[in-house]
Amino acid sequence: DGGITQSPKYLFRKEGQNVTLSCEQNLNHDAMYWYRQDPGQGLRLIYYSQIVNDFQKGDIAEGYSVSREKKESFPLTVTSAQKNPTAFYLCASIARGTGGDYGYTFGSGTRLTVV
Amino acid sequence: GQQLNQSPQSMFIQEGEDVSMNCTSSSIFNTWLWYKQDPGEGPVLLIALYKAGELTSNGRLTAQFGITRKDSFLNISASIPSDVGIYFCAGQAGDDMRFGAGTRLTVKP
Repeated sequence: DGGITQSPKYLFRKEGQNVTLSCEQNLNHDAMYWYRQDPGQGLRLIYYSQIVNDFQKGDIAEGYSVSREKKESFPLTVTSAQKNPTAFYLCASIARGTGGDYGYTFGSGTRLTVV
Repeated sequence: GQQLNQSPQSMFIQEGEDVSMNCTSSSIFNTWLWYKQDPGEGPVLLIALYKAGELTSNGRLTAQFGITRKDSFLNISASIPSDVGIYFCAGQAGDDMRFGAGTRLTVKP
C-alpha cells in the first residue's frame, strides 16, 4: 500500500541534543512538508520541499533543519537551538496535478518529548 | 502566517445529533479541505472542495465551499461514537496551505 511512514512514533530528547525524525513516502509525490502541532493550535509549517535538493522555510523554521536528497525521503532534524521542541510532528506529501492539487496525505506523526 | 478561524473549538453532543462547524478566512483560497484526526494519528482527508459554491457529500458528511471563497462549513448528520476526534479545515492557494485550529468533537452514547 502506498503511504507515508514516519518514525519513530515516540521520541525522547535530552536538553542540548539534536534528533532526527524520519519521513518516507512511496506515493511518488513531488512535494513534502513538515508541520508541528501543539494542543489547541492548528498545524504550523516548519519546512517544505517541492523537488529534490530544494527546500524552503515555513513559518516556524528556526531551530529545525531538513534535507531532500531523495524524492521519497524528507528527514527533519530538531536541533538544540529549538527551545521548545516538545510537540507532535506531522509529515505530509502532495501530488502536483495539472488541474490542481488534491490535498495532503499525512503520516501518522512523531511525538517528541524533551526530558 | 495567518491561520484560519475555525469554530467552534469543541462540541459535546449526543449520539444521533447533527453537527456543524465552519472556517473563515480573510484570504481567498482555491481549495477547501476538511480533515479528521484521531488521537495520536495524522489527519485523514474527508472532503475536498474545488469550486466556489460547491456542495459535496461523503456519506453522512456534507461540506460547502463558500461563494466568497473565504469560508467553508462541514456538517455531520446523525452522529455516531466513532465520529469522535478533531476536525480540521484547510484552505489552499497554490503552494500555500493554511489550517484551522480544529474542532474537537465528543459524542456521548
